[in-house]
Amino acid sequence: QKEVEQNSGPLSVPEGAIASLNCTYSDRGSQSFFWYRQYSGKSPELIMFIYSNGDKEDGRFTAQLNKASQYVSLLIRDSQPSDSATYLCAASGYSSASKIIFGSGTRLSIRP
Amino acid sequence: DAGVTQSPTHLIKTRGQHVTLRCSPISGHKSVSWYQQVLGQGPQFIFQYYEKEERGRGNFPDRFSARQFPNYSSELNVNALLLGDSALYLCASSLGQGASEAFFGQGTRLTVV
Repeated sequence: QKEVEQNSGPLSVPEGAIASLNCTYSDRGSQSFFWYRQYSGKSPELIMFIYSNGDKEDGRFTAQLNKASQYVSLLIRDSQPSDSATYLCAASGYSSASKIIFGSGTRLSIRP
Repeated sequence: DAGVTQSPTHLIKTRGQHVTLRCSPISGHKSVSWYQQVLGQGPQFIFQYYEKEERGRGNFPDRFSARQFPNYSSELNVNALLLGDSALYLCASSLGQGASEAFFGQGTRLTVV
């Protein structure tokens, strides 16, 4: 079982709609959760991080964490063509805070 | 402010050769981590260095080694290159030892032929 799992996609969403990206993790010791955006051929760019259960909003992005269900999600409101990228979900644990475990990523395509 | 800088950006090596990749963290950041990203996969953790000491190691063979210098820059060394070592090598910089808010450099694309 992979430690962080994501649907590989592609996920196709019309421009202006809400894109919903999901992720599950297997290590209950995970403490911190991250969403990175990666354009083709580029390096990952941190867009959100969340540590506590509930929602965290930053502009058009909302991260949601449910530790009981071991579930993390990212909502992108008013999706733009520039949001088309691969979104990587990642987790790190207190006991191994030096190590971030990444999922394989979900490809998101925003269609005009 | 300069972000995380890596050099070189691209590299082609022959099987069996040795390679050294370099990384300079964001100013004030003392932790550097190295990741390998194969096409279609997420980054895989290789090493973390903090205050010039190794603080974490991933599941990579001993052909992979790294070090951190007094100015917090870092080198990743790979010996006896295999075709399977072809990947994007990413350096991540963070303020402290914890993995919170790690920022990536542009990566080094290594091709082994």
